[in-house]
Order: sequence, then structure tokens, then C-alpha cells
Amino acid sequence: DVQLVESGGGLGQPGGSLRLACAASGFTFSSHWMHWVRQAPGKGLVWVSRISTDGRRSDYADSVKGRFIISRDNAKNTLYLEMNSLRAEDTAVYHCARDHERHRAFDLWGQGTMVSVSS
Amino acid sequence: DIQMTQSPSSLSASVGDRVTITCRSSQYIDKYLNWYQQKPGKAPKLLIYDSSSLQVGVPSRFSGSGSGTDFTLTISSVQPEDFATYSCQHTYSIPWTFGQGTKVEIK
Repeated sequence: DVQLVESGGGLGQPGGSLRLACAASGFTFSSHWMHWVRQAPGKGLVWVSRISTDGRRSDYADSVKGRFIISRDNAKNTLYLEMNSLRAEDTAVYHCARDHERHRAFDLWGQGTMVSVSS
Repeated sequence: DIQMTQSPSSLSASVGDRVTITCRSSQYIDKYLNWYQQKPGKAPKLLIYDSSSLQVGVPSRFSGSGSGTDFTLTISSVQPEDFATYSCQHTYSIPWTFGQGTKVEIK
């Protein structure tokens, strides 16, 4: 099956760290830019970060710049998000999403993993 | 950053109704506007990309239009499975921001 499956969510301490993973299957992972998108409880979708096919280029939302690091391992078909200096406002469901090969759109999403930041 | 504003925030419709949702960007975004459908606890699903192109597998009752700053998603005859939240997203420049969502409920 063509799918994305996130893992690594849970309870994080303010100022602490978590590492999310997104396992891809059923398609050529290395051909797609990949993204992280988050959704706080009852709120809208918010783009977080993206990474190029070879992992050499990345971009971040201002709200996470300098705290989060996106990376990928194309040999393992896995996308990562290292989350540092966690804040309460980082509490959200984190989805990974695949960039369409020919159009600027997210054509495949994972179900998401919940991150809660609280002491 | 480009801000995306959807209207209405919610609406009630009966099965068979025509439903229209609008999305306005704070700056020019050409055709780079996508629409997603999301049901509770589920991943978003791409419906429309580049303002008016229907994603493979999406029913033809969904259509999109617009260019520049004003865009529309139309469901020609809403079906029971269409009751969900719809979000627009621009992909003109990073960050690719989303609208706040429009919840379509059953009347």
C-alpha cells in the first residue's frame, strides 16, 4: 500500500526534545519533497517544514526555526522531525505529507502523531 | 507571510444542495491554491490543486476556480460523505499557509 505512518509522538516537557519519524511505503520516497504539517486541537492546519529529495535543502516556519530540524534517510524511506526546546504551543497532531511530483500540493498524508507539551 | 481567509467558517447544508466556499489570499498567488477535505481523526485529502485541477479519484461534483487572490470551492450536489472540514492552502511562496477551515455540517 502507498502510505505514510508517523511515530514518536507523546508527552514532552517544556524545554525538552522529541523526535518524530514518518515511514513511507509503496512509492519511490527519494523522488518526493516531504513536509511536516501540524494541527493543534480544534485548530487549522499549519505548515511546519519541508525537505528536498536529497535532503540538502530545508525550510521552516518562523515559529519553529532554530528549534526543529527536518531530515530524511532515503535508504530507510523515512522522514524525521527533531523537535527541541519544546513549548506548550507545539502541542498538536503532526502529519507528514508527500509533495506531488509535478504540482505544488500534498497528495499523500499520514494519519498523524500527537505531541503534547506539558509539565 | 501570505494569509489565507476562508468564508464561511461553517455552514449547514442538506444532501443535494450546492455548496460554495471561498478563500481569499492577502497577496497575489497566481493559480497556486489547493483544497483539502478532512474528516475527524483522519488525514487531510487533496481535492483540488492549482486552483481548478481535480485530483485523481476525486468525484467530479467537486470543482475549484479562481486566480490571483480570490478562489472558490464548489460541491455541485453535496453527498452524505462530503460532510467534513475543507481547507485551502496556497503554495505560491514559503511558508505554504492554510486557511482556517470551513466545516460543512448536515442541516
